[in-house]
Amino acid sequence: GAGVSQSPSNKVTEKGKDVELRCDPISGHTALYWYRQSLGQGLEFLIYFQGNSAPDKSGLPSDRFSAERTGGSVSTLTIQRTQQEDSAVYLCASSYGGSSPLHFGNGTRLTVT
Amino acid sequence: DAKTTQPNSMESNEEEPVHLPCNHSTISGTDYIHWYRQLPSQGPEYVIHGLTSNVNNRMASLAIAEDRKSSTLILHRATLRDAAVYYCIRYRDDKIIFGKGTRLHILP
Repeated sequence: GAGVSQSPSNKVTEKGKDVELRCDPISGHTALYWYRQSLGQGLEFLIYFQGNSAPDKSGLPSDRFSAERTGGSVSTLTIQRTQQEDSAVYLCASSYGGSSPLHFGNGTRLTVT
Repeated sequence: DAKTTQPNSMESNEEEPVHLPCNHSTISGTDYIHWYRQLPSQGPEYVIHGLTSNVNNRMASLAIAEDRKSSTLILHRATLRDAAVYYCIRYRDDKIIFGKGTRLHILP
C-alpha cells in the first residue's frame, strides 16, 4: 500500500521567503509527527498531532514555524521568513497511535540560500 | 530529552551477529521500546518493538531486560546493507523523542 508521502522532495528558497511543506500520511493513521534533521544530526521533534486533540507544538523552534492538519489527514508545515539555519531535511511520520510503529516519509530537503 | 542512552558508534564484521545496547533506566510501565534504523539519505524505518517479552521478527530480535531498564537489538547475521544509524526510543502515545542513535559500521 501507499506509504507516507512528502512533497516537494527538494526545495531551494531565498532567505526571507515563506515555504510550505506537505505530508500525506497513511490512510487511517491518527497520529502524525514532524521532525527536522540537520546534516549529520539526529531527529529533532517539532510537532505532534493525534486525532482531534490539540497538537503538541512544544518542539517548534520559533514562532516562524507553524503546522496544521486538515480533516485529520494531510498536514502542512509552514516556515515564514526562512533563515539559513532552517536548512535541513524535514521528516513526517504517521501511525495508528498506541504502540503501533511510526512510518516515515522520505523527507523534504530544504535549502535556504 | 530522549531518555535513552546508546553508544555513539559500533563496528561489526560482516556475517557476524551484532548486539546493539540501549539504556532506558527511567522507563515507565506503559512505555514500549521501539527500534528504528536510518539508512543513508532515507527516512528512518521501523525495525522491532516490545514491552516486556523478547521479540523476534524477520529483521532482528529484541531482548528486554527483566527490569526493563535496558534492551538489546540483535542482528543475527550482519550484512553490508545493515550499516545505518539505529535508534532506540521510549514509545508512548505521546510526542516521541529520538536520541542520537548508534552508527553501525559493517566491515567486509
